[in-house]
Amino acid sequence: DTGVSQDPRHKITKRGQNVTFRCDPISEHNRLYWYRQTLGQGPEFLTYFQNEAQLEKSRLLSDRFSAERPKGSFSTLEIQRTEQGDSAMYLCASSSGQGARETQYFGPGTRLLVL
Amino acid sequence: AQSVTQPDIHITVSEGASLELRCNYSYGATPYLFWYVQSPGQGLQLLLKYFSGDTLVQGIKGFEAEFKRSQSSFNLRKPSVHWSDAAEYFCAVAPNTGGFKTIFGAGTRLFVKA
Repeated sequence: DTGVSQDPRHKITKRGQNVTFRCDPISEHNRLYWYRQTLGQGPEFLTYFQNEAQLEKSRLLSDRFSAERPKGSFSTLEIQRTEQGDSAMYLCASSSGQGARETQYFGPGTRLLVL
Repeated sequence: AQSVTQPDIHITVSEGASLELRCNYSYGATPYLFWYVQSPGQGLQLLLKYFSGDTLVQGIKGFEAEFKRSQSSFNLRKPSVHWSDAAEYFCAVAPNTGGFKTIFGAGTRLFVKA
């Protein structure tokens, strides 16, 4: 399967703990995106990488959130000192970056529940 | 402000009936337009996209969408709904200079009754 994969699929944590999610994009894709989706809403853009460079960050990405893509392949999203409001589905997407007319392909998401 | 509005939170149709899901957008220029479907516990799957040209776009699973510039709309249609179409549908826009920072609507949940 050459689709976007995310790990873990589900995470339950206690408030104040740190969590880290991983995304493996489609292998030839050099753009990678993170979105957050809360219940009853569409995905909201968090951040975007072109290869290993983080080029755009949403104001939704507070200083407790950090994302990396060290070798331009997989990416990690870490949330420090989790809060109940962080409970959401975290979606990763990748695209080929071949031009403006690109399509983002989404992974299955990581559902986070903060107790 | 850039936004996408899906006026219907949920819609129920009978199996075999036709379907239309509404989408309106507010954007500075004509954006790229997308429809995605999300089944429970799954990620988003692209149904179709509009970049330019023919305003009637064909997608997968028998879906089509029509771009109407004058109405800032991109409604999704299917002539005959199947029970497996029950899911959440998201309309999205992206700047025509690049696909990142895609803005999604809040979604329309489709229920299909036998």
